[in-house]
Amino acid sequence: GNSVTQMEGPVTLSEEAFLTINCTYTATGYPSLFWYVQYPGEGLQLLLKATKADDKGSNKGFEATYRKETTSFHLEKGSVQVSDSAVYFCALRLMGGYNKLIFGAGTRLAVHP
Amino acid sequence: KAGVTQTPRYLIKTRGQQVTLSCSPISGHRSVSWYQQTPGQGLQFLFEYFSETQRNKGNFPGRFSGRQFSNSRSEMNVSTLELGDSALYLCASHRDSNEKLFFGSGTQLSVL
Repeated sequence: GNSVTQMEGPVTLSEEAFLTINCTYTATGYPSLFWYVQYPGEGLQLLLKATKADDKGSNKGFEATYRKETTSFHLEKGSVQVSDSAVYFCALRLMGGYNKLIFGAGTRLAVHP
Repeated sequence: KAGVTQTPRYLIKTRGQQVTLSCSPISGHRSVSWYQQTPGQGLQFLFEYFSETQRNKGNFPGRFSGRQFSNSRSEMNVSTLELGDSALYLCASHRDSNEKLFFGSGTQLSVL
């Protein structure tokens, strides 16, 4: 079936370290891919998206590239800040799936000064 | 511009009771989706409404139902509550012309 697999957390980094959170997917057709972020006590916010192969989504210093050959959408940031501490969710939306998102389990990121 | 508003913020119920959660979407958004978030199962899609019609449904039992009103506000109902229904229930609204969903802060339901 259709699914999203994320690396398990928590990920603990020092401020200004490089971040990678791995995400791979299984899906029929050509899904759209997303990264959402959830800060404590809040709902999810869209961080970035990519809708076709080789697209790169970027926002707030975060980037992810839609790799169809490896069915991956890894999240990266060159220099993390304490304020980036949150839970990050990778998600896909199937073609014709309206607004149904299939989420990964989430990866908790903790950044220390 | 007001965001997605979910009420109540917290709910405590006992097994066998029923509960109704409310979601007011962003003005102009006609689509509302509901998700259940638990530590064990993560985020799971419940259903989506567009212009008062359910157009997509997840794999949840019939105890979970929803509806959407003409002003796009939505409610979801869970009948005969079970302990496993304890979760954060998130609502998201969407203008239906782009890919971005806007999520509310959720309703935290505890079933005792």
